[in-house]
Amino acid sequence: EAQVTQNPRYLITVTGKKLTVTCSQNMNHEYMSWYRQDPGLGLRQIYYSMNVEVTDKGDVPEGYKVSRKEKRNFPLILESPSPNQTSLYFCASSPGTGDNTEAFFGQGTRLTVV
Amino acid sequence: GQNIDQPTEMTATEGAIVQINCTYQTSGFNGLFWYQQHAGEAPTFLSYNVLDGLEEKGRFSSFLSRSKGYSYLLLKELQMKDSASYLCAVFNDYKLSFGAGTTVTVRA
Repeated sequence: EAQVTQNPRYLITVTGKKLTVTCSQNMNHEYMSWYRQDPGLGLRQIYYSMNVEVTDKGDVPEGYKVSRKEKRNFPLILESPSPNQTSLYFCASSPGTGDNTEAFFGQGTRLTVV
Repeated sequence: GQNIDQPTEMTATEGAIVQINCTYQTSGFNGLFWYQQHAGEAPTFLSYNVLDGLEEKGRFSSFLSRSKGYSYLLLKELQMKDSASYLCAVFNDYKLSFGAGTTVTVRA
């Protein structure tokens, strides 16, 4: 089954404790991205990757890091989480960036930083 | 920067038609997507427009006018399961920017 898998689905952590949210896709997609979703603000892109070892900042990259060492995996790293990073996070992948390239979303990770 | 506007909420009756408008002002344009998102779930793809005109997919249609920076999603024969948020998103320069979403409530 084609899917994007994020882990964990729920996480409560404390300020400053490094954490990683994993994202894996089994569709051999080149393009992957991370979003956060906050009430009234919609989905905002954090980082994206066009292929292995190619990553770039989205609209809200501060406080986050990513890596793309393999095509299937695109982890999101919070080196020193803060309460303003409490949010719902989605990973997405798509075949490329050309015409009609719909994004497939993971099920989301609800992060709370206390 | 990107500015994508859509109404916050809409309410309609089962069996009716609802039109969700989206206006955008972006530094470039490579296509416009509509996604559906049920509460607590991931967004799912509904439609994609890159050329002007109407794209029809069953009960859902999407329209684009690039010169006006305008799109709409038309939902026909509304069903209770259509109660969800509908997200307009513009693809530009390898980035996908979303509007805040329109929550549609379908009433019996």
